[in-house]
Amino acid sequence: NAGVMQNPRHLVRRRGQEARLRCSPMKGHSHVYWYRQLPEEGLKFMVYLQKENIIDESGMPKERFSAEFPKEGPSILRIQQVVRGDSAAYFCASSPSGAGTDTQYFGPGTRLTVL
Amino acid sequence: GNSVTQMEGPVTLSEEAFLTINCTYTATGYPSLFWYVQYPGEGLQLLLKATKADDKGSNKGFEATYRKETTSFHLEKGSVQVSDSAVYFCALSDLGAQKLVFGQGTRLTINP
Repeated sequence: NAGVMQNPRHLVRRRGQEARLRCSPMKGHSHVYWYRQLPEEGLKFMVYLQKENIIDESGMPKERFSAEFPKEGPSILRIQQVVRGDSAAYFCASSPSGAGTDTQYFGPGTRLTVL
Repeated sequence: GNSVTQMEGPVTLSEEAFLTINCTYTATGYPSLFWYVQYPGEGLQLLLKATKADDKGSNKGFEATYRKETTSFHLEKGSVQVSDSAVYFCALSDLGAQKLVFGQGTRLTINP
């Protein structure tokens, strides 16, 4: 039973380029969460999605960041015109029902470096 | 808003020592509480969880008890091993909001 898959594992971009991070949830999970981990810090919530819907984007920066979870295919976190401050590890998690008691299962993360 | 405060690290212990990592929280309602572990270069793995007051979560020799009166969820292990070296995160999930709120993490190093 495959876990949460993320790709790429490492991504290097120059300032001003776009970054696309992909997340495939565990089989049977339709709830996806994105978190960002800055160096030596804890994880901060960014966005919560179900298939074709954004449920909570209260942690997303207002500009340059967007997320989607289409009916078919992985969830995508897109960062336009990246800046050095976007360098971080981005983790995706999934859960079966979205209940607060649910365990969220995390992927291995995408480590974004902006030069 | 909801928040989690963890014991500051790093923590260094010798093998077979007793471990406590403190975690306290502030939340409205009755959150679920979690401990996650992160090994170098990897994602987070659930270590244990508790979903209501007085519940005890346990796994791989680690334990934590949900204490509503002290708003705490301290992580304990009786005898640590070198393989327990990792970063440990305490987190909560409010019933009304599915997102996890994490503490800042505690880096644990166990020396042989």
